[in-house]
Amino acid sequence: DQQVKQNSPSLSVQEGRISILNCDYTNSMFDYFLWYKKYPAEGPTFLISISSIKDKNEDGRFTVFLNKSAKHLSLHIVPSQPGDSAVYFCAASGGNQFYFGTGTSLTVIP
Amino acid sequence: NAGVTQTPKFRILKIGQSMTLQCTQDMNHNYMYWYRQDPGMGLKLIYYSVGAGITDKGEVPNGYNVSRSTTEDFPLRLELAAPSQTSVYFCASSLEPYGYTFGSGTRLTVV
Repeated sequence: DQQVKQNSPSLSVQEGRISILNCDYTNSMFDYFLWYKKYPAEGPTFLISISSIKDKNEDGRFTVFLNKSAKHLSLHIVPSQPGDSAVYFCAASGGNQFYFGTGTSLTVIP
Repeated sequence: NAGVTQTPKFRILKIGQSMTLQCTQDMNHNYMYWYRQDPGMGLKLIYYSVGAGITDKGEVPNGYNVSRSTTEDFPLRLELAAPSQTSVYFCASSLEPYGYTFGSGTRLTVV
């Protein structure tokens, strides 16, 4: 049973435009959420996080939005750059264990 | 600063063989984890540890064993390899139970 879902396996965006990656979760006890970026043949790298007491967190070009009532979070990348092309995983936790989504492959077209 | 180091990077095992995937971190992190990533699936937690001498099962622990005798090392043992264990394995560590640093992965094929 997938507790964290990323329903879009892939996304293509023009350089300079906004990329929006979406993530849904089912467990209302989750209180901490993260986004990871993964390049081929490398381990995931931490990108940005948000706790359930916030609805937005910004770090440079990356912003994560959390909608607790909808059990939905999204990652916005503005402006998108070719180097952002990677697989993005969202993850959620209510304790020591994290549950990961299946990932969205982002391609930024120059 | 090496971060999280996993060895080997690639391995082919025959059914029934055993092996140990090594994971070492030099950041003095208390928390360490083993994940597997199957094609088209998200990362699934196999085992985790909150400190030396303490380990606990994750979502998919069957067929694996771990130990944590030191803060730095968290090896993952496969005793009787099965084709279902063909996957990419990631080790990770964190100071708190958030914000992981991942190793580069071990691609394992069981034939």
